[in-house]
Amino acid sequence: AQTVTQSQPEMSVQEAETVTLSCTYDTSESDYYLFWYKQPPSRQMILVIRQEAYKQQNATENRFSVNFQKAAKSFSLKISDSQLGDAAMYFCAYRRPDWGGSEKLVFGKGTKLTVNP
Amino acid sequence: EPEVTQTPSHQVTQMGQEVILRCVPISNHLYFYWYRQILGQKVEFLVSFYNNEISEKSEIFDDQFSVERPDGSNFTLKIRSTKLEDSAMYFCASRHELAGASYEQYFGPGTRLTVT
Repeated sequence: AQTVTQSQPEMSVQEAETVTLSCTYDTSESDYYLFWYKQPPSRQMILVIRQEAYKQQNATENRFSVNFQKAAKSFSLKISDSQLGDAAMYFCAYRRPDWGGSEKLVFGKGTKLTVNP
Repeated sequence: EPEVTQTPSHQVTQMGQEVILRCVPISNHLYFYWYRQILGQKVEFLVSFYNNEISEKSEIFDDQFSVERPDGSNFTLKIRSTKLEDSAMYFCASRHELAGASYEQYFGPGTRLTVT
Protein backbone atom coordinates (compact mmCIF):
# COMPACT_ATOMS: atom_id res chain seq x y z
CA ALA A 1 0.00 0.00 0.00
CA GLN A 2 1.11 3.51 -0.69
CA THR A 3 2.16 5.66 2.22
CA VAL A 4 2.98 9.33 2.52
CA THR A 5 5.21 10.70 5.27
CA GLN A 6 5.57 14.27 6.37
CA SER A 7 8.29 14.37 9.00
CA GLN A 8 7.77 17.97 10.09
CA PRO A 9 4.65 18.37 12.25
CA GLU A 10 5.26 22.12 12.51
CA MET A 11 7.34 24.71 10.71
CA SER A 12 7.63 28.45 11.02
CA VAL A 13 8.96 31.11 8.70
CA GLN A 14 9.39 34.85 8.76
CA GLU A 15 7.28 36.84 6.40
CA ALA A 16 9.04 37.30 3.01
CA GLU A 17 11.41 34.42 3.72
CA THR A 18 11.50 31.00 2.05
CA VAL A 19 10.47 27.74 3.66
CA THR A 20 10.61 24.14 2.47
CA LEU A 21 8.19 21.47 3.60
CA SER A 22 9.26 17.85 3.27
CA CYS A 23 7.35 14.85 1.99
CA THR A 24 8.41 11.32 1.20
CA TYR A 25 6.27 8.54 -0.13
CA ASP A 26 6.43 4.86 -0.75
CA THR A 27 5.05 3.19 -3.84
CA SER A 28 5.89 0.41 -6.26
CA GLU A 29 4.17 2.22 -9.10
CA SER A 30 6.15 4.00 -11.80
CA ASP A 31 3.43 6.43 -12.73
CA TYR A 32 1.43 8.47 -10.25
CA TYR A 33 0.50 11.98 -9.22
CA LEU A 34 1.64 13.99 -6.24
CA PHE A 35 -0.12 16.96 -4.72
CA TRP A 36 0.27 19.58 -2.07
CA TYR A 37 -2.96 20.76 -0.48
CA LYS A 38 -3.34 23.74 1.82
CA GLN A 39 -5.88 23.70 4.62
CA PRO A 40 -6.27 27.12 6.26
CA PRO A 41 -8.17 27.56 9.52
CA SER A 42 -11.40 27.78 7.52
CA ARG A 43 -10.77 24.03 6.93
CA GLN A 44 -11.47 23.89 3.18
CA MET A 45 -8.65 22.13 1.39
CA ILE A 46 -7.22 23.90 -1.60
CA LEU A 47 -4.86 22.44 -4.17
CA VAL A 48 -1.56 24.28 -4.19
CA ILE A 49 0.42 22.37 -6.76
CA ARG A 50 0.59 18.99 -8.48
CA GLN A 51 3.28 16.94 -10.12
CA GLU A 52 2.98 14.10 -12.60
CA ALA A 53 5.59 11.45 -11.92
CA TYR A 54 6.44 11.03 -15.60
CA LYS A 55 7.46 14.68 -15.84
CA GLN A 56 11.06 15.38 -14.93
CA GLN A 57 10.49 19.10 -14.71
CA ASN A 58 9.53 20.35 -11.29
CA ALA A 59 6.13 22.02 -11.10
CA THR A 60 5.87 25.68 -10.18
CA GLU A 61 2.88 27.87 -9.36
CA ASN A 62 3.87 31.45 -8.68
CA ARG A 63 5.60 31.46 -5.27
CA PHE A 64 5.17 27.71 -4.85
CA SER A 65 7.50 25.16 -6.36
CA VAL A 66 8.37 21.56 -5.75
CA ASN A 67 11.54 19.55 -5.70
CA PHE A 68 10.53 16.16 -7.07
CA GLN A 69 13.15 13.45 -6.66
CA LYS A 70 11.58 10.32 -8.11
CA ALA A 71 14.40 7.94 -7.27
CA ALA A 72 14.45 9.14 -3.69
CA LYS A 73 10.62 9.24 -3.55
CA SER A 74 10.78 12.75 -2.24
CA PHE A 75 8.42 15.63 -3.00
CA SER A 76 9.17 18.82 -1.09
CA LEU A 77 7.30 22.10 -1.35
CA LYS A 78 9.14 25.40 -1.39
CA ILE A 79 7.25 28.58 -0.57
CA SER A 80 9.11 31.73 -1.55
CA ASP A 81 8.39 35.21 -0.26
CA SER A 82 6.14 33.79 2.46
CA GLN A 83 3.00 35.75 3.22
CA LEU A 84 0.79 35.79 6.30
CA GLY A 85 -1.93 34.16 4.22
CA ASP A 86 0.28 31.14 3.68
CA ALA A 87 -0.23 30.09 7.29
CA ALA A 88 -2.11 26.79 7.18
CA MET A 89 -1.80 23.03 7.41
CA TYR A 90 -0.09 21.64 4.33
CA PHE A 91 -0.83 18.10 3.25
CA CYS A 92 1.18 16.09 0.80
CA ALA A 93 -0.91 13.56 -1.13
CA TYR A 94 -0.38 10.70 -3.56
CA ARG A 95 -2.65 9.28 -6.20
CA ARG A 96 -2.34 6.47 -8.66
CA PRO A 97 -3.17 7.13 -12.30
CA ASP A 98 -6.73 6.68 -13.51
CA TRP A 99 -6.10 3.27 -15.02
CA GLY A 100 -4.74 2.04 -11.71
CA GLY A 101 -8.26 1.43 -10.50
CA SER A 102 -7.79 3.56 -7.40
CA GLU A 103 -8.60 7.22 -7.46
CA LYS A 104 -8.22 7.85 -3.79
CA LEU A 105 -5.83 10.40 -2.43
CA VAL A 106 -3.44 9.12 0.21
CA PHE A 107 -2.48 11.93 2.55
CA GLY A 108 0.40 12.55 4.88
CA LYS A 109 -0.23 13.74 8.43
CA GLY A 110 0.37 17.34 7.50
CA THR A 111 2.74 20.16 8.43
CA LYS A 112 1.44 23.17 10.27
CA LEU A 113 3.07 26.28 8.85
CA THR A 114 3.21 29.45 10.90
CA VAL A 115 4.22 32.70 9.24
CA ASN A 116 5.65 35.29 11.61
CA PRO A 117 5.30 38.96 10.77
CA GLU B 1 -15.90 29.93 -9.61
CA PRO B 2 -17.86 26.73 -9.05
CA GLU B 3 -17.31 25.02 -5.73
CA VAL B 4 -18.33 21.99 -3.74
CA THR B 5 -20.76 22.79 -0.95
CA GLN B 6 -21.62 20.75 2.13
CA THR B 7 -24.42 20.92 4.68
CA PRO B 8 -24.63 21.18 7.58
CA SER B 9 -21.37 22.77 8.62
CA HIS B 10 -21.69 21.22 12.06
CA GLN B 11 -23.83 18.30 13.16
CA VAL B 12 -24.19 17.12 16.73
CA THR B 13 -25.85 13.77 17.29
CA GLN B 14 -26.22 11.18 19.99
CA MET B 15 -24.55 7.81 19.81
CA GLY B 16 -26.69 5.30 17.94
CA GLN B 17 -28.51 7.90 15.88
CA GLU B 18 -28.49 8.05 12.10
CA VAL B 19 -26.97 11.04 10.35
CA ILE B 20 -26.95 12.12 6.74
CA LEU B 21 -24.26 14.45 5.51
CA ARG B 22 -25.02 16.28 2.30
CA CYS B 23 -22.81 17.48 -0.49
CA VAL B 24 -23.45 19.28 -3.75
CA PRO B 25 -20.54 18.54 -6.09
CA ILE B 26 -19.51 20.80 -8.93
CA SER B 27 -22.15 20.45 -11.62
CA ASN B 28 -20.15 18.90 -14.46
CA HIS B 29 -18.21 16.52 -12.21
CA LEU B 30 -19.01 12.84 -12.24
CA TYR B 31 -16.57 11.35 -9.70
CA PHE B 32 -17.41 11.85 -6.06
CA TYR B 33 -15.58 11.10 -2.86
CA TRP B 34 -15.90 11.20 0.89
CA TYR B 35 -12.93 11.61 3.20
CA ARG B 36 -12.78 12.11 6.92
CA GLN B 37 -10.33 13.76 9.27
CA ILE B 38 -10.37 12.92 12.94
CA LEU B 39 -9.14 15.92 14.92
CA GLY B 40 -5.37 16.14 14.79
CA GLN B 41 -4.99 13.24 12.40
CA LYS B 42 -4.52 12.78 8.69
CA VAL B 43 -7.26 12.95 6.11
CA GLU B 44 -8.48 9.42 5.30
CA PHE B 45 -10.28 8.16 2.24
CA LEU B 46 -13.70 6.62 2.82
CA VAL B 47 -15.31 5.97 -0.55
CA SER B 48 -15.39 6.92 -4.20
CA PHE B 49 -18.51 6.89 -6.35
CA TYR B 50 -19.00 6.94 -10.10
CA ASN B 51 -21.86 6.12 -12.42
CA ASN B 52 -24.20 5.52 -9.52
CA GLU B 53 -22.09 2.95 -7.81
CA ILE B 54 -19.21 2.69 -5.38
CA SER B 55 -15.92 2.33 -7.25
CA GLU B 56 -13.74 1.92 -4.18
CA LYS B 57 -14.12 1.93 -0.44
CA SER B 58 -11.74 1.80 2.48
CA GLU B 59 -11.76 -0.48 5.51
CA ILE B 60 -13.35 2.36 7.48
CA PHE B 61 -16.39 2.28 5.20
CA ASP B 62 -18.19 -0.62 6.81
CA ASP B 63 -21.86 -1.60 6.76
CA GLN B 64 -22.75 1.38 8.92
CA PHE B 65 -21.90 3.70 6.05
CA SER B 66 -23.69 4.21 2.77
CA VAL B 67 -23.61 6.74 -0.03
CA GLU B 68 -26.24 7.85 -2.44
CA ARG B 69 -26.80 10.26 -5.25
CA PRO B 70 -30.55 10.71 -4.87
CA ASP B 71 -30.90 13.28 -7.63
CA GLY B 72 -28.79 15.07 -10.17
CA SER B 73 -27.11 17.36 -7.71
CA ASN B 74 -26.77 15.89 -4.22
CA PHE B 75 -24.34 13.30 -2.95
CA THR B 76 -24.96 12.01 0.55
CA LEU B 77 -23.13 10.03 3.19
CA LYS B 78 -25.26 8.19 5.71
CA ILE B 79 -24.06 6.73 8.97
CA ARG B 80 -26.74 4.40 10.28
CA SER B 81 -25.81 4.12 13.93
CA THR B 82 -23.19 6.61 14.96
CA LYS B 83 -20.39 5.77 17.36
CA LEU B 84 -18.23 8.11 19.39
CA GLU B 85 -15.30 7.34 17.10
CA ASP B 86 -17.23 8.66 14.11
CA SER B 87 -16.67 12.17 15.43
CA ALA B 88 -14.60 13.84 12.74
CA MET B 89 -14.61 16.35 9.92
CA TYR B 90 -16.12 14.82 6.80
CA PHE B 91 -15.05 16.18 3.46
CA CYS B 92 -16.80 15.69 0.17
CA ALA B 93 -14.81 16.03 -3.06
CA SER B 94 -15.59 15.83 -6.74
CA ARG B 95 -13.63 15.46 -9.95
CA HIS B 96 -14.22 16.00 -13.61
CA GLU B 97 -14.77 12.91 -15.73
CA LEU B 98 -12.49 13.28 -18.67
CA ALA B 99 -9.16 11.51 -18.53
CA GLY B 100 -6.48 14.02 -19.34
CA ALA B 101 -8.68 16.84 -18.12
CA SER B 102 -8.02 18.25 -14.71
CA TYR B 103 -7.73 15.34 -12.33
CA GLU B 104 -7.83 17.59 -9.34
CA GLN B 105 -10.26 16.64 -6.63
CA TYR B 106 -12.11 19.72 -5.46
CA PHE B 107 -12.95 19.64 -1.79
CA GLY B 108 -15.90 21.05 0.06
CA PRO B 109 -15.57 22.97 3.33
CA GLY B 110 -16.44 19.92 5.40
CA THR B 111 -19.06 18.93 7.94
CA ARG B 112 -17.94 18.61 11.53
CA LEU B 113 -19.72 15.66 13.07
CA THR B 114 -19.78 15.44 16.84
CA VAL B 115 -21.17 12.26 18.39
CA THR B 116 -22.02 12.51 22.09
